Amino acid sequence: DAGVIQSPRHEVTEMGQEVTLRCKPISGHDYLFWYRQTMMRGLELLIYFNNNVPIDDSGMPEDRFSAKMPNASFSTLKIQPSEPRDSAVYFCASSRGQTTNEKLFFGSGTQLSVL
Amino acid sequence: GEDVEQSLFLSVREGDSSVINCTYTDSSSTYLYWYKQEPGAGLQLLTYIFSNMDMKQDQRLTVLLNKKDKHLSLRIADTQTGDSAIYFCAEKVGSYIPTFGRGTSLIVHP
Repeated sequence: DAGVIQSPRHEVTEMGQEVTLRCKPISGHDYLFWYRQTMMRGLELLIYFNNNVPIDDSGMPEDRFSAKMPNASFSTLKIQPSEPRDSAVYFCASSRGQTTNEKLFFGSGTQLSVL
Repeated sequence: GEDVEQSLFLSVREGDSSVINCTYTDSSSTYLYWYKQEPGAGLQLLTYIFSNMDMKQDQRLTVLLNKKDKHLSLRIADTQTGDSAIYFCAEKVGSYIPTFGRGTSLIVHP
């Protein structure tokens, strides 16, 4: 299995532009998570899905952030308009379930820089 | 306050033992985890311990759990430069999703 695949690996954009981050979870995993990592706040959970349905989006910082999961093999995290304070590493993770000892598998992340 | 707390940095010499500590607040935790994040990569599960265990050993890694004090530690014996990474503690309560700490950056000096 190729693992969780994220694209792009790096994104540099200007303030005000729309940014779309993409994630392909591991096949058969029914949970998908979006995290943001910064030096100031560490690892923050933004939103997670179960069977393509958003379960908890309380970590989404503002209305500028939105996430979708149109099918079991694809999810996007969109920031519109982007701001310099959105600069961070964004991770996608997936897991097979959460009822027992299910570990999370993380992608390599997208390094976002908003100038 | 945070549910899972860790110190942010730890610096050790190559060959010494490293001990990374973590405290958590939920006494109902069923599993506790250590994830490792190498530079430029995502987190990977390193090891875990079930809440009814006190200790788990896996080669150079030893996990100690003190449920009374809600304290978890990760000991790395004979620390190598390749162990330099960020180590995240995480707790899981039943079917809830895991809660992560902020991570401890381990710096290994030659």
